[in-house]
Amino acid sequence: AQSVTQLDSQVPVFEEAPVELRCNYSSSVSVYLFWYVQYPNQGLQLLLKYLSGSTLVKGINGFEAEFNKSQTSFHLRKPSVHISDTAEYFCAVTRTGTASKLTFGTGTRLQVTL
Amino acid sequence: GAVVSQHPSWVICKSGTSVKIECRSLDFQATTMFWYRQFPKQSLMLMATSNEGSKATYEQGVEKDKFLINHASLTLSTLTVTSAHPEDSSFYICSGSGEVYEQYFGPGTRLTVT
Repeated sequence: AQSVTQLDSQVPVFEEAPVELRCNYSSSVSVYLFWYVQYPNQGLQLLLKYLSGSTLVKGINGFEAEFNKSQTSFHLRKPSVHISDTAEYFCAVTRTGTASKLTFGTGTRLQVTL
Repeated sequence: GAVVSQHPSWVICKSGTSVKIECRSLDFQATTMFWYRQFPKQSLMLMATSNEGSKATYEQGVEKDKFLINHASLTLSTLTVTSAHPEDSSFYICSGSGEVYEQYFGPGTRLTVT
């Protein structure tokens, strides 16, 4: 089984400042890793994913994440946030192979203010 | 990316009645569909996994007689909440997965039981 820990439930940040949202996972098998964003009363939108290859993954809206196997982490970063980035962010894992269920972290609320 | 729709987006029903939520994959064939439930300010909880033409696999603690899932075609899955009660009020999100691992999420359905 897999588990995901998002250490920060809320992250306040000023506009144009950099941000890092932390994600650690636990798994006895190989996994794929994902970051999703959820705006109020909406479904989930994929920001980026790690499947294999380069450990630095770039996604939409200027976000990127780095897979660190030794630390079992997949932290999400953005060098300069915008007010519109205010949302809930979820880290998720699934075991490699065919479609299997995602295990989500508890989410991090990113609050961007002026 | 692939598109998943849900209908209705918001439904209010009286206690004791049943309500059906539809999940459609619009531009791909979803061999596997997932149903999640999300409480306010919480993460997604997987309720069940369904494969086209097969019975759904429910997660532990989810009442299969209360949450009826049908996946009759490669583009449609339905979730029926039977004899709904106020504690069933929640945000329900579906996702579809095709030939590969990635899940595409619908916009969610807000269910309020009065």
